[in-house]
Amino acid sequence: AQTVTQSQPEMSVQEAETVTLSCTYDTSENNYYLFWYKQPPSRQMILVIRQEAYKQQNATENRFSVNFQKAAKSFSLKISDSQLGDTAMYFCAFMKPLRLSGTYKYIFGTGTRLKVLA
Amino acid sequence: DAGITQSPRHKVTETGTPVTLRCHQTENHRYMYWYRQDPGHGLRLIHYSYGVKDTDKGEVSDGYSVSRSKTEDFLLTLESATSSQTSVYFCAISHSNQPQHFGDGTRLSIL
Repeated sequence: AQTVTQSQPEMSVQEAETVTLSCTYDTSENNYYLFWYKQPPSRQMILVIRQEAYKQQNATENRFSVNFQKAAKSFSLKISDSQLGDTAMYFCAFMKPLRLSGTYKYIFGTGTRLKVLA
Repeated sequence: DAGITQSPRHKVTETGTPVTLRCHQTENHRYMYWYRQDPGHGLRLIHYSYGVKDTDKGEVSDGYSVSRSKTEDFLLTLESATSSQTSVYFCAISHSNQPQHFGDGTRLSIL
């Protein structure tokens, strides 16, 4: 069974600094996708970044980038130039297609609470 | 933002009463999901749907049922609510292999 592990329950970073959130996963699949979601205090779940397993190039979205190590099954999120608005819970998620039903299975980690300090 | 509306946004009810949460989408996406979010557990899948009248169980489906009579609506029902079902419930939709998009959540308290 697939699992997603976020080993850092809480982290803090000074404004304008860089922080890296860790995520590891366990799967025997070769075709899958990985995501990072942000959940601010407003409770919304916001997609931050997406990575396809077949792509070697690490995904980037403005100040957010990932370090995808497929062999190590690691998918960390780097936030550069941290801003107060980055304060949120961050969830790592794994998705794979289910061949029989034609749907997709998502598994979420337990989250890392990030606080950006002024 | 993806057109997803959850209702109600907040609900307080008593143990043993039936509760129905509604998820409505305007995106015509095939896949819809119900999750619950609890401290220390992240999001856990309750049920999902891959088409009208096509649903299946997730990892924490006991005590919950769902129905999808049309593409845009996915209902989650707690037949007889228990205090262990106090949680924040999220609906999500997706299209093919695209990322899920989430509703704003429903905070349900069962006293």
